[in-house]
Amino acid sequence: GAVVSQHPSWVICKSGTSVKIECRSLDFQATTMFWYRQFPKQSLMLMATSNEGSKATYEQGVEKDKFLINHASLTLSTLTVTSAHPEDSSFYICSAMPPRWTNQPQHFGDGTRLSIL
Amino acid sequence: QKEVEQDPGPLSVPEGAIVSLNCTYSNSAFQYFMWYRQYSRKGPELLMYTYSSGNKEDGRFTAQVDKSSKYISLFIRDSQPSDSATYLCAMKGGGNNRLAFGKGNQVVVIP
Repeated sequence: GAVVSQHPSWVICKSGTSVKIECRSLDFQATTMFWYRQFPKQSLMLMATSNEGSKATYEQGVEKDKFLINHASLTLSTLTVTSAHPEDSSFYICSAMPPRWTNQPQHFGDGTRLSIL
Repeated sequence: QKEVEQDPGPLSVPEGAIVSLNCTYSNSAFQYFMWYRQYSRKGPELLMYTYSSGNKEDGRFTAQVDKSSKYISLFIRDSQPSDSATYLCAMKGGGNNRLAFGKGNQVVVIP
């Protein structure tokens, strides 16, 4: 089945550091990828929709200069948390959308646990 | 009213019991319905995907969709301790690829 790989799975860094998270679709080309944030015991909160070759679409309240998204190829999207602070600590999850003609749903990566000290 | 309602109350069942989960929704444009299983500190894993009213079975899992009542269900037969996880319902439609999620149900299967 479709597989989405997310890296790293866990990162701890000092306040002020920028952190890059990668999301790769391994079995299919994904023109659309999504980035979510999840707090403990809560559901997923969509942060932005990433479209290959164009600017990402951010949800209301999500700072685009804080969370930089690049979707430079059909199999890779990256999320960079710039100048991260403790309040950015969270579980970040990406998903990839198979081509529309397959009529298949999103598949998710295994998430990245980000801890900012 | 939220688009998708899922009672997040934790659910504990003995091994072998049937687990019954459900979600209701308000947006009649939703056409595609999914159930994801999420283990602690992992991403959601697709369990079931349906786009028509009725039942769909896959092994011990049955997904049920009733579009007229805007109600979907997931049944897990012969539950196992390895089924202990959070189960999220999700749906989309109206030409929009964004998923609307329920809050998730934490299920604990007791050996």
